[in-house]
Amino acid sequence: DAGITQSPRYKITETGRQVTLMCHQTWSHSYMFWYRQDLGHGLRLIYYSAAADITDKGEVPDGYVVSRSKTENFPLTLESATRSQTSVYFCASSESTSGQETQYFGPGTRLLVL
Amino acid sequence: AQKVTQAQTEISVVEKEDVTLDCVYETRDTTYYLFWYKQPPSGELVFLIRRNSFDEQNEISGRYSWNFQKSTSSFNFTITASQVVDSAVYFCALSGYLYSGGSNYKLTFGKGTLLTVNP
Repeated sequence: DAGITQSPRYKITETGRQVTLMCHQTWSHSYMFWYRQDLGHGLRLIYYSAAADITDKGEVPDGYVVSRSKTENFPLTLESATRSQTSVYFCASSESTSGQETQYFGPGTRLLVL
Repeated sequence: AQKVTQAQTEISVVEKEDVTLDCVYETRDTTYYLFWYKQPPSGELVFLIRRNSFDEQNEISGRYSWNFQKSTSSFNFTITASQVVDSAVYFCALSGYLYSGGSNYKLTFGKGTLLTVNP
């Protein structure tokens, strides 16, 4: 049972380049989330998706784009990477977002923007 | 607005000591859920426990126990007889509405407590 996986695990890119971080879950969870983790800020929600083809902004969506054509995949794209987007990115999924369901997290992707 | 405060940024203990990690939260919701996650040095986030606001019973799971006190808005986590493998960052999180008047929820995380257990 693979659960939730992210790729790549590490990425170095340059300012202005487009980068896509992949997230895949095998639980058929309805909801998926993208967070970024930064020192001093904890984890902050970037985007979430309630189902295939349904996405919405979180707390810090600027500079990011998401899509969800299939339930199991939720890629996050940085259209033109900036140094401030250097962070650790976590994908998560849950059966619902009623508030009671646990979010399960992927292993994270460490992104460095030079 | 929701807020989770983990006042202890770092704690260092010697193996076999008991340690309590504090979590204080703020919310206007009458129904909410609280969570603890562990982030070991390898970096992944591991779910530990979920507690709803109507259940104030303490929870014990092996060496781990949680004390939820609604009167003080606290959800503290105790590790008994700590071990080196307990070394990690521990996050407390609170569920709440993503937007005021909306129906979708988000997790608000505290900034974490780095626990170091020394042999």
